[in-house]
Amino acid sequence: EVQLVESGGGLVKPGGSLRLSCAASSFTFTTYNMNWVRQAPGKGLEWVSYISSSSSYIYYADSVKGRFTISRDNAKNSLYLQMNSLRAEDTAVYYCARETPETNDFHIWGQGTMVTVSS
Amino acid sequence: QAVLTQPSSLSASPGASASLTCTLRSGINVGSYRIYWYRQKPGSPPQYLLRYKSDSDKQQGSGVPSRFSGSKDASANAGILLISGLQSEDEADYYCVIWHGSAWVFGGGTKLTVL
Repeated sequence: EVQLVESGGGLVKPGGSLRLSCAASSFTFTTYNMNWVRQAPGKGLEWVSYISSSSSYIYYADSVKGRFTISRDNAKNSLYLQMNSLRAEDTAVYYCARETPETNDFHIWGQGTMVTVSS
Repeated sequence: QAVLTQPSSLSASPGASASLTCTLRSGINVGSYRIYWYRQKPGSPPQYLLRYKSDSDKQQGSGVPSRFSGSKDASANAGILLISGLQSEDEADYYCVIWHGSAWVFGGGTKLTVL
């Protein structure tokens, strides 16, 4: 079964750091562009970051630019999000999502991992 | 002004049709964009429904019933998700998405109530 499983969420103080992981299974990870999307409690979806299959292209939402870093390890079938200088407004469920080649839809999503930024 | 604007809520009756709009900000031409639609039920990740740019550039998500369809209203500069034959399980949040300015942009979402 094609699957994405996020991990690494938790409680962190403002200004702190956290690294999220997304483990991919049952598909050829190296051929897919990947994204992080987040959802604050009771709020809508917000795109966070994109990385192309070979890491050649990386984009960030303005709200996280300069604080978050997306990366991937194709040998380990894993996607990462390094989050630094965390703020209360970064509190959200973070989803990783696989982008379908050519059509670019987010057809596969993980179940999400919760990040809470609070003192 | 947000790039994509969706009404926050919409109510419709079972068996009826619901038209969910996604209005693009002035200066961003709806005709130039593929609009993606997602549905999210409480406690679950979003589910891809369909993509619509034109009648020759559209795609239905895998397993998504044909009663979900996309269109555009150029005069309103908006994308539209039409759900016909509403069922109780269609009650969910619906989001439109475009790729704009090297970023994926999500609309604020519409909460569809079927009652």
